[in-house]
Amino acid sequence: QKEVEQDPGPLSVPEGAIVSLNCTYSNSAFQYFMWYRQYSRKGPELLMYTYSSGNKEDGRFTAQVDKSSKYISLFIRDSQPSDSATYLCAMSASTGGFKTIFGAGTRLFVKA
Amino acid sequence: EAGVAQSPRYKIIEKRQSVAFWCNPISGHATLYWYQQILGQGPKLLIQFQNNGVVDDSQLPKDRFSAERLKGVDSTLKIQPAKLEDSAVYLCASSSQVLGYEQYFGPGTRLTVT
Repeated sequence: QKEVEQDPGPLSVPEGAIVSLNCTYSNSAFQYFMWYRQYSRKGPELLMYTYSSGNKEDGRFTAQVDKSSKYISLFIRDSQPSDSATYLCAMSASTGGFKTIFGAGTRLFVKA
Repeated sequence: EAGVAQSPRYKIIEKRQSVAFWCNPISGHATLYWYQQILGQGPKLLIQFQNNGVVDDSQLPKDRFSAERLKGVDSTLKIQPAKLEDSAVYLCASSSQVLGYEQYFGPGTRLTVT
């Protein structure tokens, strides 16, 4: 069993749709939960991070963490064609120097 | 603020040859990471430096991969000899020591081993 599981998709939605991206994990020691966006042939860029459980909102993006279920989500409202990219969930703990484990990434296509 | 710089951007070599990648992190970032990203997969940590000391290299194939970070700034990752399965994008990232969850990535080096 992988430490972090993420459905690779692809996920195709029409412009304006609400997108839901999810990951599950097995290591209860994870404290920080991140979402990175990666455009083709580019390095990942950090979108958001959440510490422990709860919700965090930033513009059209909302991140949720449910530590009791070991389940995290990223919601994108009013999706735009420019949101088309691969979304990577990632997790780490401050113990062990923030060693980060990434999911496989979900490819998202937003159609105009 | 300048981002993480990597070179070269692309490299094609034959198996059993050697190759080296270079990374210059964001100024002031104490922590530097090298990741391997195989097509269709997420980045996998190869080695993590704190200043010029190694924090984690548990997934570095030490029989063929080596890395160094002299003077706690630039870093070099080397593969010798390369295998076909080393074809991947090699990503360098950096972060501050206390904000390790906030990593900044370079554009990567795309390696093809033929």
